[in-house]
Amino acid sequence: QKEVEQDPGPLSVPEGAIVSLNCTYSNSAFQYFMWYRQYSRKGPELLMYTYSSGNKEDGRFTAQVDKSSKYISLFIRDSQPSDSATYLCAMSAGSGGSNYKLTFGKGTLLTVNP
Amino acid sequence: KAGVTQTPRYLIKTRGQQVTLSCSPISGHRSVSWYQQTPGQGLQFLFEYFSETQRNKGNFPGRFSGRQFSNSRSEMNVSTLELGDSALYLCASSHLGSSGNTIYFGEGSWLTVV
Repeated sequence: QKEVEQDPGPLSVPEGAIVSLNCTYSNSAFQYFMWYRQYSRKGPELLMYTYSSGNKEDGRFTAQVDKSSKYISLFIRDSQPSDSATYLCAMSAGSGGSNYKLTFGKGTLLTVNP
Repeated sequence: KAGVTQTPRYLIKTRGQQVTLSCSPISGHRSVSWYQQTPGQGLQFLFEYFSETQRNKGNFPGRFSGRQFSNSRSEMNVSTLELGDSALYLCASSHLGSSGNTIYFGEGSWLTVV
């Protein structure tokens, strides 16, 4: 079993839709959870960063972490064509140097159609 | 504030050669890590350096090595290149602040081995 599982999609939605992206993980040591957006032939861009369980909102983006279920989600409201990209979940354990090692999901390719 | 800078952006090498990639982290960031991204395996952690010391290492053969200089700039080297080393190599810099550890990526170096 992979440490982090993410549905690769592809996911295609109309403009204005609510998008839900998800990852599950198996390593209970993970405490820090991130979502990155990666446009074609570009580096990953940090979107959301959360620690432990709970919700975090930033504009049209909401990140949720449920540590009891080992499940994280990213919601995008009022999706725009500019949101079309690959979305990567990433996580790390919480102590010292291991805090800097990210384990990634494979990424979900999202297309928002005008 | 300048982001993470990687050079070169694109390069083509022949099997058996070696390659050196360079990374300049965000000013003030002392941790630099390297990742390999391929379509099949996704993003995989190579190694992480802090204050010129390697703190973490991923599951890659010894042909992959790195170092960090006193100004936090980092280089990674791949010797005896194989076709399977063709990938996007990403450098990330990070800073442990009051809200936790945020990790930012550069645009990457595209390596093609022929």
